[in-house]
Amino acid sequence: GAVVSQHPSRVICKSGTSVKIECRSLDFQATTMFWYRQFPKKSLMLMATSNEGSKATYEQGVEKDKFLINHASLTLSTLTVTSAHPEDSSFYICSASLPGQGDNEQFFGPGTRLTVL
Amino acid sequence: QKEVEQDPGPLSVPEGAIVSLNCTYSNSAFQYFMWYRQYSRKGPELLMYTYSSGNKEDGRFTAQVDKSSKYISLFIRDSQPSDSATYLCAMRRNQGGKLIFGQGTELSVKP
Repeated sequence: GAVVSQHPSRVICKSGTSVKIECRSLDFQATTMFWYRQFPKKSLMLMATSNEGSKATYEQGVEKDKFLINHASLTLSTLTVTSAHPEDSSFYICSASLPGQGDNEQFFGPGTRLTVL
Repeated sequence: QKEVEQDPGPLSVPEGAIVSLNCTYSNSAFQYFMWYRQYSRKGPELLMYTYSSGNKEDGRFTAQVDKSSKYISLFIRDSQPSDSATYLCAMRRNQGGKLIFGQGTELSVKP
């Protein structure tokens, strides 16, 4: 149980285009989802916390107009990288907390590797 | 100074060795401590979860937390090639709080 999926697993796009990444909790309803960014050999950096039906809470330094997050249902959150540039190339990972666990445990998706040319 | 420090390695050990992975942290308010394993190009998976100080054992894995020294460890006994991965420590102040990750230690277990 507690499986989180992401789609796509890998995307290559041209500079200036927008890319949407989906995060789904497959066998549970997640009231809270998280979006992280990970650079090679670096730790995961929390970008934003997404709660179903409300606006996402962004971490300091993360541009909310560039990284649009929508948590439309209890099983789906999306991250849209708008007007992507090469510096946005990274590994994006989502996670979802299991309800009733006091948010003590986050289950991570497999990640999406974004390459902006 | 980073809130959580972790030696990135790489750490290479022979099969069957005992592996010790460590993290130090600066914020004494951290109470929840986790270890995640991340295979290449995959998302992290939770290995161990500990609240406050003490030890926790699960199979070949043992997690230790020493809050007085702000130091946590993960021990892997009888290491296997399948244990080759990056191990990330993570911690948070309270339930629902933000997870702060270490940089991750890359482990390679040689047959």
